[in-house]
Amino acid sequence: ILNVEQSPQSLHVQEGDSTNFTCSFPSSNFYALHWYRWETAKSPEALFVMTLNGDEKKKGRISATLNTKEGYSYLYIKGSQPEDSATYLCAFYGGSQGNLIFGKGTKLSVKP
Amino acid sequence: GAVVSQHPSWVICKSGTSVKIECRSLDFQATTMFWYRQFPKQSLMLMATSNEGSKATYEQGVEKDKFLINHASLTLSTLTVTSAHPEDSSFYICSARDLGLSHNEQFFGPGTRLTVL
Repeated sequence: ILNVEQSPQSLHVQEGDSTNFTCSFPSSNFYALHWYRWETAKSPEALFVMTLNGDEKKKGRISATLNTKEGYSYLYIKGSQPEDSATYLCAFYGGSQGNLIFGKGTKLSVKP
Repeated sequence: GAVVSQHPSWVICKSGTSVKIECRSLDFQATTMFWYRQFPKQSLMLMATSNEGSKATYEQGVEKDKFLINHASLTLSTLTVTSAHPEDSSFYICSARDLGLSHNEQFFGPGTRLTVL
């Protein structure tokens, strides 16, 4: 059974703080790692699709890194804002005929 | 672009009734759509993969006669929960895959909260 773990489960930070959280996934049969941002009552929004070991992607104040050899990805948010409050999901994709395997998410709350 | 709608957003029904949930890709064609279920504090779990014009593929442990999936067009898939019971109460969410993308990128609807009394 493939396991994708995210930590922490939840996080409370003050506006302006920088934060990061982790996604651990199987290091074998890796094809892609997806990050989604999911606000309450909205659709999960794709943030990044990461494919190569050592990849680093950035979107505004949010960035992500990927280590496929050891099976982890970090998501960083610089200078958190209240509008960053959401659940951040990662999903592992093992390629051909496989499905997205999701972690339970990290719920981020940013206090003004 | 890449918008997926889902209807209804919530539904409450009596035990024994059937409920239909619709998933539409609004601005792209999706030959493949996916249905997930999420129980409280758990991850999204794939229930079935829906392919346009063919039978859906169900994951282990998901009853195909209970969760009927129809994918009659490139923009619409429906999930019908037949003879719903309280244990079927959950959050159901669909996604659609764009033909042109290669790493199983999926675009999600906003989900449907089903409560069975």
